[in-house]
Amino acid sequence: EAQVTQNPRYLITVTGKKLTVTCSQNMNHEYMSWYRQDPGLGLRQIYYSMNVEVTDKGDVPEGYKVSRKEKRNFPLILESPSPNQTSLYFCASSFAGTLLNYGYTFGSGTRLTVV
Amino acid sequence: DAKTTQPPSMDCAEGRAANLPCNHSTISGNEYVYWYRQIHSQGPQYIIHGLKNNEINEMASLIITEDRKSSTLILPHATLRDTAVYYCIASYGGATNKLIFGTGTLLAVQP
Repeated sequence: EAQVTQNPRYLITVTGKKLTVTCSQNMNHEYMSWYRQDPGLGLRQIYYSMNVEVTDKGDVPEGYKVSRKEKRNFPLILESPSPNQTSLYFCASSFAGTLLNYGYTFGSGTRLTVV
Repeated sequence: DAKTTQPPSMDCAEGRAANLPCNHSTISGNEYVYWYRQIHSQGPQYIIHGLKNNEINEMASLIITEDRKSSTLILPHATLRDTAVYYCIASYGGATNKLIFGTGTLLAVQP
């Protein structure tokens, strides 16, 4: 089944403790992206990647890092999480350049709480 | 990307057609209209997209006005499982493949 898999689904952590949220897709998509969703603010893009070793900042990149060493994986790294990063996170992927024809496929989400 | 305007909420009776409007009066010629939906904190789901012509698939129909300033997503026979937030997005994707999600329309399908 074609899908984007995020792990974990739920995570509670403490301020300052480094964490990684994994994202993997099995559709051979070039493009991958991370969004966060907060009440009243909608979905905001954190980082995106057009292909392996090509990443760039989205609208709210502060406090986050990403890497794209393989086509299928796009982990989101929080080096020193803070309470304002408590949010619902989504990973998405698509074929680059043909977004118009295929659209994004989203993962099921990761609900992160930083205390 | 062009700004889109959607009503914050709508109701629809189960089994009836749900017609969700979207205004995108500043849309440019190369921008497509996309519709996604999000069911209760799940990942958004692609529904349909179009440029100028009306489109139809197994989930919905998309009607785009001739001047492309507005569109309507039609769910022909709404079910309770169609209760969700529906997002209308105008974008050409461009070099960043980016889609900007607004606040959408909360469609509540009533039994």
